[in-house]
Amino acid sequence: GAVVSQHPSWVICKSGTSVKIECRSLDFQATTMFWYRQFPKQSLMLMATSNEGSKATYEQGVEKDKFLINHASLTLSTLTVTSAHPEDSSFYICSAGGQTNTEAFFGQGTRLTVV
Amino acid sequence: QKEVEQNSGPLSVPEGAIASLNCTYSDRGSQSFFWYRQYSGKSPELIMFIYSNGDKEDGRFTAQLNKASQYVSLLIRDSQPSDSATYLCAGTTSGTYKYIFGTGTRLKVLA
Repeated sequence: GAVVSQHPSWVICKSGTSVKIECRSLDFQATTMFWYRQFPKQSLMLMATSNEGSKATYEQGVEKDKFLINHASLTLSTLTVTSAHPEDSSFYICSAGGQTNTEAFFGQGTRLTVV
Repeated sequence: QKEVEQNSGPLSVPEGAIASLNCTYSDRGSQSFFWYRQYSGKSPELIMFIYSNGDKEDGRFTAQLNKASQYVSLLIRDSQPSDSATYLCAGTTSGTYKYIFGTGTRLKVLA
């Protein structure tokens, strides 16, 4: 299957700082990427849909000014957690559309810890 | 609110038995359904997808879809301890990659 690479795999940051997470489709072009958040023992919750060349679409309850999404190219989307707080500590996962049916491929995930 | 529901478990089965995982969904517009396996601390990995009514088999795994009942299931034959993980069911609407995930069912295969 297609490969989606997410970086970094884990990051620890101080409260109040910002953290950028990258999601790259390595062997295909992805006009749409998705960002999910997963708290311990919970399911993946869709945060936003990242559209190449246009503004992201955020799910209800997700602060667009806090979670900045940029999808400047067909192979790269970034999620920036601004002014991070301990409650933002979570597992963040991106996905990108594949080339068959509607199968999507997931990145490895980024474990964010805010101290 | 479009929902996908799963029993959180844990579901415990002995090694070699059949594990049956179930999922229901509320959005009748959902077209495709996916089963993912997720090990603790790792990203989900696709097991199989199904979009037609009936059964779809792939090795030890069989997915079943009943659109009239809005029900999806995953059977794992000859369960192995390495199958112990959380299994996530997800549905999409046609033409999109936007997935709605269930809460996942934790499976324990006892050696």
